[in-house]
Amino acid sequence: DAGVIQSPRHEVTEMGQEVTLRCKPISGHDYLFWYRQTMMRGLELLIYFNNNVPIDDSGMPEDRFSAKMPNASFSTLKIQPSEPRDSAVYFCASSSSGGTNTGELFFGEGSRLTVL
Amino acid sequence: SQKIEQNSEALNIQEGKTATLTCNYTNYSPAYLQWYRQDPGRGPVFLLLIRENEKEKRKERLKVTFDTTLKQSLFHITASQPADSATYLCALAPSSGGSYIPTFGRGTSLIVHP
Repeated sequence: DAGVIQSPRHEVTEMGQEVTLRCKPISGHDYLFWYRQTMMRGLELLIYFNNNVPIDDSGMPEDRFSAKMPNASFSTLKIQPSEPRDSAVYFCASSSSGGTNTGELFFGEGSRLTVL
Repeated sequence: SQKIEQNSEALNIQEGKTATLTCNYTNYSPAYLQWYRQDPGRGPVFLLLIRENEKEKRKERLKVTFDTTLKQSLFHITASQPADSATYLCALAPSSGGSYIPTFGRGTSLIVHP
């Protein structure tokens, strides 16, 4: 398996623009997570899905952030409009509840977002 | 409020020595604790899991302890190598509810000098 695939790896945009980050989880995994990592706050959970259904979005900072999972193999995180304080590395991760659930997360390589 | 604390200062050690990293937590009742490794520009990679009813877990040169009384986990790398240099994150998953969703500490940077 190719692992969790995220795109783009790097995005530089101007304040006010819409940003869409994409994620393809590992096939067969039923959980998908979006995290944001900054030096100040570390790795923060934004939202997670189970079987394509959003379960907890309490970590989404504002209404400017939205996430969707239209099918088991694709998810997007959208920021509209973007602001400089959204600059961070955004990670997608997936996991499986099958068998003994250890909760191990498999992370993508991240999308580094810079908002000017 | 719930808090996971890892040393923010980098740990510098000489090759061959044992590295010990600490993860402390408050206001948690974790079902388990995980350790991840993160290299610069990469996503975290899972290393070890230890459950609340386990005291110690080993995997090759890695050893993790879990003291629910002290609310602390120690992560040891024996015979450390420069290739072990990375940031190490601990993550806790609460025992409430049916889903175990980890919350991460901010990580400690380990630098192993040749």
